[in-house]
Amino acid sequence: DTEVTQTPKHLVMGMTNKKSLKCEQHMGHRAMYWYKQKAKKPPELMFVYSYEKLSINESVPSRFSPECPNSSLLNLHLHALQPEDSALYLCASSQQGPNYGYTFGSGTRLTVV
Amino acid sequence: AQKITQTQPGMFVQEKEAVTLDCTYDTSDPSYGLFWYKQPSSGEMIFLIYQGSYDQQNATEGRYSLNFQKARKSANLVISASQLGDSAMYFCAMRGARAGNNRKLIWGLGTSLAVNP
Repeated sequence: DTEVTQTPKHLVMGMTNKKSLKCEQHMGHRAMYWYKQKAKKPPELMFVYSYEKLSINESVPSRFSPECPNSSLLNLHLHALQPEDSALYLCASSQQGPNYGYTFGSGTRLTVV
Repeated sequence: AQKITQTQPGMFVQEKEAVTLDCTYDTSDPSYGLFWYKQPSSGEMIFLIYQGSYDQQNATEGRYSLNFQKARKSANLVISASQLGDSAMYFCAMRGARAGNNRKLIWGLGTSLAVNP
């Protein structure tokens, strides 16, 4: 299994809603990532989990809350988002080391209304 | 600091012709990896090709090859025999070996490639 699976593919939520994005991989990768991407821009790193522990938080607002329940799963909990948070959210996983790229999921297109 | 520079915001190529997408990088890491990704309008980020800093030969993967010139710190992607399905954004990225650098991919701004029939 060489895939990263993200659900849902599309999500529309109001500013008072609570929702979660889910990501799953079964490649044995011990690093998992959340990225936010605006159109025609490179992805922006949000969070890095290494061996199920949060190792990097790129000063992300607290309305985004990551969770790594086990080595295969990564969640991103969303609460009280703003319209400017509308974007493509990409999950990725990798092995450690410079020789390994990331394997990405197909992303969740989030619209905040 | 690590940096990736892609100087071509947009490129056009005729179907069946070859195209080169430019990428230069800057790092003080002695060991690093260079990657190219393709992102179609559907949004999925697709890995294309990898080059290690100690690799003696240029990487190739099917129609993709990486023109690696270490002294010039460049890692250009060459797509041969372009197809309509190659129309997409292309990102060059780098990953270092040192702690901290190891955990992050450093991204260029991307090149939007359009293949004309």
